[in-house]
Amino acid sequence: QVQLVQSGAEVKKPGASVKVSCKASGYTFSGYNMHWVRQAPGQGLEWMGWINPNSGATNYAPKFQGRVTMTGDTSITTAYMELNRLRSDDTAVYYCAKERRGWVDYWGQGTLVSVSS
Amino acid sequence: DIQLTQSPSFLSASVGDRVSITCRASQGISTYLAWYQQKPGKAPKLLIYAASTLESGVPSRFSGSGSGTEFTLTISSLQPEDFATYCCLQLNSYPFTFGPGTKVDI
Repeated sequence: QVQLVQSGAEVKKPGASVKVSCKASGYTFSGYNMHWVRQAPGQGLEWMGWINPNSGATNYAPKFQGRVTMTGDTSITTAYMELNRLRSDDTAVYYCAKERRGWVDYWGQGTLVSVSS
Repeated sequence: DIQLTQSPSFLSASVGDRVSITCRASQGISTYLAWYQQKPGKAPKLLIYAASTLESGVPSRFSGSGSGTEFTLTISSLQPEDFATYCCLQLNSYPFTFGPGTKVDI
């Protein structure tokens, strides 16, 4: 069965960077885009972008362009999302979620990133 | 960006009730809409995609309809496990956007 297992919670200071990992299993990792979505405490979901693990192609939401980098390592079926120049309003749960024929189906369990001085 | 609004934002219901949630898009998105269920502390779960296609394994009491700018998620007979927050996602154009969510509570 499809599983997306994310790395553990992180606490960062403003201005720092965070890199969240998403280990995929149960499907052909290189065959499907991986999306990243975040959810601030008590707020709705916000789409950040996707990466094609096979080609390395990415599509980032304009809001995060220049500050986010999504990568994938097909040898270990793991996707990564790195967010730089963190601010307090980046405090959120970050999710990876795989795409299937244009639709976002399975989600990871989420990774809480807290940004505080 | 395409804005999605949902109504109501909060819905109080009882087991066995038929409930409907509306998602409206600021511009036409054909049927490029999905519905998700999210419980506290958990990841969203895909219920419906392409506006009306039921995801495998999702109970048939869930249904979706609509196209263009107005979409509806209906739960025909609310079950205890259905109390959750429901949100829509448009995948018609970038950046993809989510609706703000509808909390279904007792």
